[in-house]
Amino acid sequence: GENVEQHPSTLSVQEGDSAVIKCTYSDSASNYFPWYKQELGKRPQLIIDIRSNVGEKKDQRIAVTLNKTAKHFSLHITETQPEDSAVYFCAASTYGQNFVFGPGTRLSVLP
Amino acid sequence: EAGVTQFPSHSVIEKGQTVTLRCDPISGHDNLYWYRRVMGKEIKFLLHFVKESKQDESGMPNNRFLAERTGGTYSTLKVQPAELEDSGVYFCASSLAAGSYEQYFGPGTRLTVT
Repeated sequence: GENVEQHPSTLSVQEGDSAVIKCTYSDSASNYFPWYKQELGKRPQLIIDIRSNVGEKKDQRIAVTLNKTAKHFSLHITETQPEDSAVYFCAASTYGQNFVFGPGTRLSVLP
Repeated sequence: EAGVTQFPSHSVIEKGQTVTLRCDPISGHDNLYWYRRVMGKEIKFLLHFVKESKQDESGMPNNRFLAERTGGTYSTLKVQPAELEDSGVYFCASSLAAGSYEQYFGPGTRLTVT
């Protein structure tokens, strides 16, 4: 079955710097890769996603890149702000069904 | 539009007791998923309903867990009898229909078994 790894487990950056979180997956059949942000005590929120027919997608300060050959995808956050502090989860799935999540990255943005 | 709701938000029970968690998906969403996050580890898939039918229950840990989705609307997840290792946060998510990839998560139910 699918296995998703995620690195780093924790990440601290200064406000205004960029943050990059990387994930790898094992199942070449996976074709949908969402990223969720979970603030303390709140629900996971979908922040960006990418399908396997696209190599990159951007939404304001957030971007995701996908390398199907290497089976890895990354989340890029530019100009980080304190409100970006949260746990970020990547996931892989086939046709949007049963997500397999990475273990999460705790991002701290220091003012 | 109301989001996915879950009840209760917290539950503390003793080992051997029974607990029932409830999830109300976004209205009109055919797909309903249950996930669980144990002790700060990754969020793991439990099962998937399409309307009232179980599409995939391969992630259910054992037969102490029973999920239902009456009439294809809300869903319940019963744990009977609860064990210590069942403690964790149980999330429900829903998506619109076949071909809809985005899943919207509920706030979760934190279950503590003592």
